[in-house]
Amino acid sequence: DTAVSQTPKYLVTQMGNDKSIKCEQNLGHDTMYWYKQDSKKFLKIMFSYNNKELIINETVPNRFSPKSPDKAHLNLHINSLELGDSAVYFCASSLGAGGRETQYFGPGTRLLVL
Amino acid sequence: SQQGEEDPQALSIQEGENATMNCSYKTSINNLQWYRQNSGRGLVHLILIRSNEREKHSGRLRVTLDTSKKSSSLLITASRAADTASYFCATRGSSNTGKLIFGQGTTLQVKP
Repeated sequence: DTAVSQTPKYLVTQMGNDKSIKCEQNLGHDTMYWYKQDSKKFLKIMFSYNNKELIINETVPNRFSPKSPDKAHLNLHINSLELGDSAVYFCASSLGAGGRETQYFGPGTRLLVL
Repeated sequence: SQQGEEDPQALSIQEGENATMNCSYKTSINNLQWYRQNSGRGLVHLILIRSNEREKHSGRLRVTLDTSKKSSSLLITASRAADTASYFCATRGSSNTGKLIFGQGTTLQVKP
């Protein structure tokens, strides 16, 4: 009965590869987010979708492409992986997109690019 | 630009003591939230304080907000070893999106 789940939990890959991370929430929320946390624990928003519509798109290389097939899913595809992409990627969801709501986080996907 | 800065970056105390963490931010906010992150886990929401509130309590947690100084503090009373974690403040700006800007966090170690 996990609220926000991500797969895979760990991802080790070579530079130049393309990889995807999947996120699913069963909370009935309408808004989902992708965050990146670097080695210094800086947590920064990358994207947000509300009802499958992109509402936040931070300055992120266009090698990163989010896709929301429905309100319960938000996937992140990364092309041509670089060393600097190594980080922990967190998915989150909330009911509403106004920022007044609690965001529920997934357990994170630890990406290591070699 | 990063909105929140937290102080101290690391804090080590004995079980039973109180822990105080501070957060400063730069622009006007709608609300400020505190989250906890246990090692290797995702963030868990602790408490939200609105810009028109000055203090809020939740169990052993007490949060204050001073909008004139653009700062907030999180006090954990009677700390326990299980409180060992990183604590982040996050601010929501005046825009209408759910964009939260996180501070760099305070790593708290509570020794049994």
